[in-house]
Amino acid sequence: AQSVTQLGSHVSVSEGALVLLRCNYSSSVPPYLFWYVQYPNQGLQLLLKYTSAATLVKGINGFEAEFKKSETSFHLTKPSAHMSDAAEYFCAVSRGDTDKLIFGTGTRLQVFP
Amino acid sequence: ETGVTQTPRHLVMGMTNKKSLKCEQHLGHNAMYWYKQSAKKPLELMFVYNFKEQTENNSVPSRFSPECPNSSHLFLHLHTLQPEDSALYLCASSRPVRDRGGSAEQFFGPGTRLTVL
Repeated sequence: AQSVTQLGSHVSVSEGALVLLRCNYSSSVPPYLFWYVQYPNQGLQLLLKYTSAATLVKGINGFEAEFKKSETSFHLTKPSAHMSDAAEYFCAVSRGDTDKLIFGTGTRLQVFP
Repeated sequence: ETGVTQTPRHLVMGMTNKKSLKCEQHLGHNAMYWYKQSAKKPLELMFVYNFKEQTENNSVPSRFSPECPNSSHLFLHLHTLQPEDSALYLCASSRPVRDRGGSAEQFFGPGTRLTVL
């Protein structure tokens, strides 16, 4: 079975500060991992995905994530937060041989001026 | 229109009403999904369709009835809902597993905010 744990339902940072959103996964097979962002009253938008090609994945809006197999982690980072980054972020895992995406419970990011 | 569209964006209905949610994807995908997003709960997968055939029903109550007439359109027919069914209903699409040789991301619509009175 696969699962995803997002540590911290709320994260607050100052504008310009480092953003770190944590995601740990559990999977019995090599996983495919995703980060999605959801702005208020909108659907989910893909930020980036890991599909085993490279462990450091760069996404849109300056975000990146690093796959660490030894730590079963796929944390999302951005060097400098912007006010427009305020949103909810979801980590997800899939097996690749099914249609299912297993989502975490989400982390709400607040950015203060 | 591009991507995945959903109508209506907002819906208020009584428990005895019958209504339908519509999803349309313009991405040439053949897999489509319905999700339910409730406050403080993980995203719940409800149904999966591949090439118009239902391949997943995640123990969804029968008051939710999906329909997939073709690979571009997906409906969710609603009847005799309960207040706890109030949520954001999201539609998504992707290339199906058998066509992609590995993982492919799902593309989401903006959702329908449903309120059941």
